[in-house]
Amino acid sequence: GAGVSQSPRYKVAKRGQDVALRCDPISGHVSLFWYQQALGQGPEFLTYFQNEAQLDKSGLPSDRFFAERPEGSVSTLKIQRTQQEDSAVYLCASSHAGTAYEQYFGPGTRLTVT
Amino acid sequence: GENVEQHPSTLSVQEGDSAVIKCTYSDSASNYFPWYKQELGKRPQLIIDIRSNVGEKKDQRIAVTLNKTAKHFSLHITETQPEDSAVYFCAAAPTRVKAAGNKLTFGGGTRVLVKP
Repeated sequence: GAGVSQSPRYKVAKRGQDVALRCDPISGHVSLFWYQQALGQGPEFLTYFQNEAQLDKSGLPSDRFFAERPEGSVSTLKIQRTQQEDSAVYLCASSHAGTAYEQYFGPGTRLTVT
Repeated sequence: GENVEQHPSTLSVQEGDSAVIKCTYSDSASNYFPWYKQELGKRPQLIIDIRSNVGEKKDQRIAVTLNKTAKHFSLHITETQPEDSAVYFCAAAPTRVKAAGNKLTFGGGTRVLVKP
């Protein structure tokens, strides 16, 4: 079946611009996670949804980062007033479980802020 | 919060030899330990996982072991092949139903190179 998809795959933004990154989880998956992966490092947790409820946003680095999943399926990660330190790959993962089990990742969106 | 350390950071092995990657974690609440393989420019791919109620799990050429007392777990790859070359990440997570904290904390990764 179809895996997790993300769009766009690549995004170049000028410093100060707003960006929106989309995640389409595997159909029927209850849990959705966003992670940030810097070059050469492991993914770092940003936020977690169970259905439409955002249960954990402890990893969002600043109030410029905002995520939503209004209908419990597609999710959008929005970054306002982008800064150079926001440059990274943003990964989305989904899981059929209502926990951290068996997370399947999308291909990521590579964000470059110039 | 959870802290996961992974060693070694790079590992070079001859084709056919075994590779072992070790991870330690700090939070005794963690009870789920997956391993991901990530090729250059690709998504992390779940290759095997273990839950805290078992000490070992095997799937063909890969196996994971878990020592909850010592808070460490390991990935073993036998009969390595060139296509095993990638970056491998360990991770740890608690699993809490309908609650915050259900997040993977990743190690720093191990770059494995299998030489033909």
